Amino acid sequence: NAGVMQNPRHLVRRRGQEARLRCSPMKGHSHVYWYRQLPEEGLKFMVYLQKENIIDESGMPKERFSAEFPKEGPSILRIQQVVRGDSAAYFCASSLGQANQPQHFGDGTRLSIL
Amino acid sequence: DQQVKQNSPSLSVQEGRISILNCDYTNSMFDYFLWYKKYPAEGPTFLISISSIKDKNEDGRFTVFLNKSAKHLSLHIVPSQPGDSAVYFCAASAPEGAQKLVFGQGTRLTINP
Repeated sequence: NAGVMQNPRHLVRRRGQEARLRCSPMKGHSHVYWYRQLPEEGLKFMVYLQKENIIDESGMPKERFSAEFPKEGPSILRIQQVVRGDSAAYFCASSLGQANQPQHFGDGTRLSIL
Repeated sequence: DQQVKQNSPSLSVQEGRISILNCDYTNSMFDYFLWYKKYPAEGPTFLISISSIKDKNEDGRFTVFLNKSAKHLSLHIVPSQPGDSAVYFCAASAPEGAQKLVFGQGTRLTINP
């Protein structure tokens, strides 16, 4: 499967724990984007990364959230000390990084905070 | 500040007829527009896109129209099929926006047999 792969598909955490969401981009893509979707809402941009670089993190909450895309391995979205309001679907997308090219999405990680 | 708006939360269309989904935007810097289709528990699937230098793009049953002066785009699906039942999102990006997509709230399309 050459599509965008996200894992886990479902993640349950208790308040105060850490959540790690992983994303492997589509083959050949080196640009990764993370979006969050709350119930009955559209997707909201969080962060845009290239290999080893954060390009735009304007949508990331200032605290507890971080993202990385190392030289080797998947991109990781990390949420520390989770709270109930972090419950959402988190989607990763990848692209070739060229202008006017679509982003292709994974099936998301559904994070539930108990 | 909702820069991309889909004012119809839901739409119901009979199989075989045309489905028209609408989207309005406020940021005049947007120059690339996309439509995605989403089934429950899956990620958005790219359908069709259009750049601001065009006013129409067609791909099979799907056509997107862009009216820059009205800051409005629409997706036409004809003929509509039961498998088209899904939530449809429009999205836009601007050159200075580092390619981040701004999404509308989505329209749930139901195709009735």
